[in-house]
Amino acid sequence: EAQVTQNPRYLITVTGKKLTVTCSQNMNHEYMSWYRQDPGLGLRQIYYSMNVEVTDKGDVPEGYKVSRKEKRNFPLILESPSPNQTSLYFCASSQEVDRGVGGELFFGEGSRLTVL
Amino acid sequence: EDQVTQSPEALRLQEGESSSLNCSYTVSGLRGLFWYRQDPGKGPEFLFTLYSAGEEKEKERLKATLTKKESFLHITAPKPEDSATYLCAVQAFTNAGKSTFGDGTTLTVKP
Repeated sequence: EAQVTQNPRYLITVTGKKLTVTCSQNMNHEYMSWYRQDPGLGLRQIYYSMNVEVTDKGDVPEGYKVSRKEKRNFPLILESPSPNQTSLYFCASSQEVDRGVGGELFFGEGSRLTVL
Repeated sequence: EDQVTQSPEALRLQEGESSSLNCSYTVSGLRGLFWYRQDPGKGPEFLFTLYSAGEEKEKERLKATLTKKESFLHITAPKPEDSATYLCAVQAFTNAGKSTFGDGTTLTVKP
């Protein structure tokens, strides 16, 4: 089954304790991206990756890091989480974003993060 | 800066009562406009892509249309299972890696 898998799905942590949210896709997609979703603010892009070893900042990259060492994986790293990073996070992937067709995103189920 | 505005924020319909959701956008060189459906506690699910003004796409009770400034998602004779939040997003040619989303329209269909 084609899917984007995120882990953990739920996490409660404390300020300053480093954490990683993993994302893996099995569709051989070149493009992957991270979003956060907050009430009243919609989906906002954090980072994206057009291909292996290529990453770029989205609209709200502060406080986050990413890496793309393999095509299927795109982990989101919070080096020193703060309460304002409490949110619902989504990973997404897509095929051939940089060409004339495609671009539709396939989303994971989401990771709900609470930072105390 | 790309912008997407969706209206209304919330829409309540009776089963069978057709209506439309609006997505107004400003983007420098539209590469594609996308519609997604999101159920509570789930990730958004892709519905349609529209690339140029005048284009239309249909899927069951849903029909998406596109002009140079806005897109409409028409829902014909909706059923309770159509209840969800519908999201609109745009991508620009100048930055195909970036998707800008609207805040969504939450649709509730009462039996």
